[in-house]
Amino acid sequence: KNQVEQSPQSLIILEGKNCTLQCNYTVSPFSNLRWYKQDTGRGPVSLTIMTFSENTKSNGRYTATLDADTKQSSLHITASQLSDSASYICVVSVLSGNTPLVFGKGTRLSVIA
Amino acid sequence: GAVVSQHPSRVICKSGTSVKIECRSLDFQATTMFWYRQFPKQSLMLMATSNEGSKATYEQGVEKDKFLINHASLTLSTLTVTSAHPEDSSFYICSARHVRAGETQYFGPGTRLLVL
Repeated sequence: KNQVEQSPQSLIILEGKNCTLQCNYTVSPFSNLRWYKQDTGRGPVSLTIMTFSENTKSNGRYTATLDADTKQSSLHITASQLSDSASYICVVSVLSGNTPLVFGKGTRLSVIA
Repeated sequence: GAVVSQHPSRVICKSGTSVKIECRSLDFQATTMFWYRQFPKQSLMLMATSNEGSKATYEQGVEKDKFLINHASLTLSTLTVTSAHPEDSSFYICSARHVRAGETQYFGPGTRLLVL
């Protein structure tokens, strides 16, 4: 069964600190992996997208990694800001089939002053 | 580019009434649109896939007669929640797949539905 597991479920950090969110998946055949940021009451916004051959990708203070062998990904946030408070969702695309996207439950990040 | 809008952003209705939610791709054509439902602290759950000019494909457990989907053009899809009940209260999010962007989906801002 295609699944995406994220950890931790929630995280509280001080402003300015770094943090790393984890994503493990059992999706086959794998197409790509995306990290989304979802503010409360808003739709998801794409942060990064990585294909099978990509190990790391950055978008400003966000850096995502992908290990296709162990089927793990991480999202590292550097120098966190209050506006980083949101849910971060890991989404894996299936190469074929009727359900193209498999969503994780997300990690709820709270950045406090 | 690749902006998706939803209307309304939030709606409160009485039990038994029907509610229509619009999803529009503002600056691109979308052959396929997806409708998701998200309950608090849960991930997005795909309800149905809507292809322009054809009937929607519903996920298992989603009642097609209750959640009516119309995708009349390449820029507009609508979801109508018929005879809404309190358990239908949720956050409904649509996404649109660009004709030339492969499988990339762009998400709308969501619609909060509260059924009293």
